[in-house]
Amino acid sequence: QKEVEQDPGPLSVPEGAIVSLNCTYSNSAFQYFMWYRQYSRKGPELLMYTYSSGNKEDGRFTAQVDKSSKYISLFIRDSQPSDSATYLCAMSGAGANSKLTFGKGITLSVRP
Amino acid sequence: EAGVAQSPRYKIIEKRQSVAFWCNPISGHATLYWYQQILGQGPKLLIQFQNNGVVDDSQLPKDRFSAERLKGVDSTLKIQPAKLEDSAVYLCASSLGLVHEQFFGPGTRLTVL
Repeated sequence: QKEVEQDPGPLSVPEGAIVSLNCTYSNSAFQYFMWYRQYSRKGPELLMYTYSSGNKEDGRFTAQVDKSSKYISLFIRDSQPSDSATYLCAMSGAGANSKLTFGKGITLSVRP
Repeated sequence: EAGVAQSPRYKIIEKRQSVAFWCNPISGHATLYWYQQILGQGPKLLIQFQNNGVVDDSQLPKDRFSAERLKGVDSTLKIQPAKLEDSAVYLCASSLGLVHEQFFGPGTRLTVL
C-alpha cells in the first residue's frame, strides 16, 4: 500500500461547480497536510496547508483533515476555468528533517 | 521577491550521456530540495540540503546521481550516465526550514533517448 493515495482522474466539471478532491494516507506520523496546484509545464505552487485535524478556508478553497480516518479533502467553490490544473496532496511529519510525500495528483478541467 | 530559478528548462540527451541541472533558491532560504517528477506521478524527493550539508539523500541513486550545494546557495544535480528511466521533470524547491512551506522552481524537463 502506498503511503499516500489520491483519487485517480482526470476530472472535468462545468464552471461554477463545487469540486471535491481527496487523498488517503497510511502513515500515522503525518502532521502537516498540504495541497499544491501545478499548471502545465510549471512547478507546484502551495495552495494551503493544515496542521493536524480540522478545516482551513482561503477564499474559494477549503481544506479538511480527518486524522481519525486518515483522509484529507480540498473543496473548490464556484470553480473557474483558471482552476484547471493538476492538484497534488502532500504530507509530512513534524520533525525538523521530515520530508514531503506526495500523491500522484489529479488533473482538473473546468469547462466554461 | 524572486522565485526559485532553474536552468536549463529543457534538455534532451542520449542514454549513457551526462547532464547537469542548476538551481538558485529564494534568497535567504537555507533548505534546498531536489525532486524527480515522472509523468503522471507526484514529485519524489531525491536530496535535501540544509545550508551546504546533506540532510537526506536516501532516495538518490548514488551510482549515477550526484548533487552539491557549495557555499550554501546555488546547487547542481548531475546524472552520469543517464538511463532511459531518468526521463522526468527535475524540480528544485527551497524553504526557510519549514518542510510544509516549500517553494518550487519551474523544473527542468529531461528526455533521455
